Amino acid sequence: ETGVTQSPTHLIKTRGQQVTLRCSSQSGHNTVSWYQQALGQGPQFIFQYYREEENGRGNFPPRFSGLQFPNYSSELNVNALELDDSALYLCASSREAAIPYEQYFGPGTRLTVT
Amino acid sequence: SQQGEEDPQALSIQEGENATMNCSYKTSINNLQWYRQNSGRGLVHLILIRSNEREKHSGRLRVTLDTSKKSSSLLITASRAADTASYFCATRRSNQAGTALIFGKGTTLSVSS
Repeated sequence: ETGVTQSPTHLIKTRGQQVTLRCSSQSGHNTVSWYQQALGQGPQFIFQYYREEENGRGNFPPRFSGLQFPNYSSELNVNALELDDSALYLCASSREAAIPYEQYFGPGTRLTVT
Repeated sequence: SQQGEEDPQALSIQEGENATMNCSYKTSINNLQWYRQNSGRGLVHLILIRSNEREKHSGRLRVTLDTSKKSSSLLITASRAADTASYFCATRRSNQAGTALIFGKGTTLSVSS
């Protein structure tokens, strides 16, 4: 197991609501990336945070936002939930500029939007 | 968008057989990585091969990389029931801001005893 933890494990929300997912990175890692994985698909990059700043973003609308805290833990916030937001949300921590580069994934949060 | 595309989408074999999965990608890369995912849980890093390497081994895993064809293969030898999982290739583009990984859709491997 990696040292990356995520909470909650499962979550059920109603369309239009807002949700916050949390991630604690592995010790010594300063970068957190978030991914969305729909059923039967590979993970899709949402965004990445490095030293509390957004450091790259995938093709996701602004209602997907995030934060990184001084201890490098992170939150993913999704506003105005849509049915298509139902997915497994994965966070991954890493050390920026590490060679070779590798990301360590948490177990994920399963979000269901009804 | 997906960078890598795995082939086949699904693979069913018997214990003891070898399993081969292929991955194709579109743009130039620094390295290519393979991950495993058990039943909708987090991804586990298996092996990384750099763009200047052609082959790499790790235990029962053998990965090859052909940058001229923009393709990679993962071979699992003497498979076990515990190898049942989804396997994804992931690339990190050499000119990409940030360090996101771009994943394919994965190959679902089923190993029966």
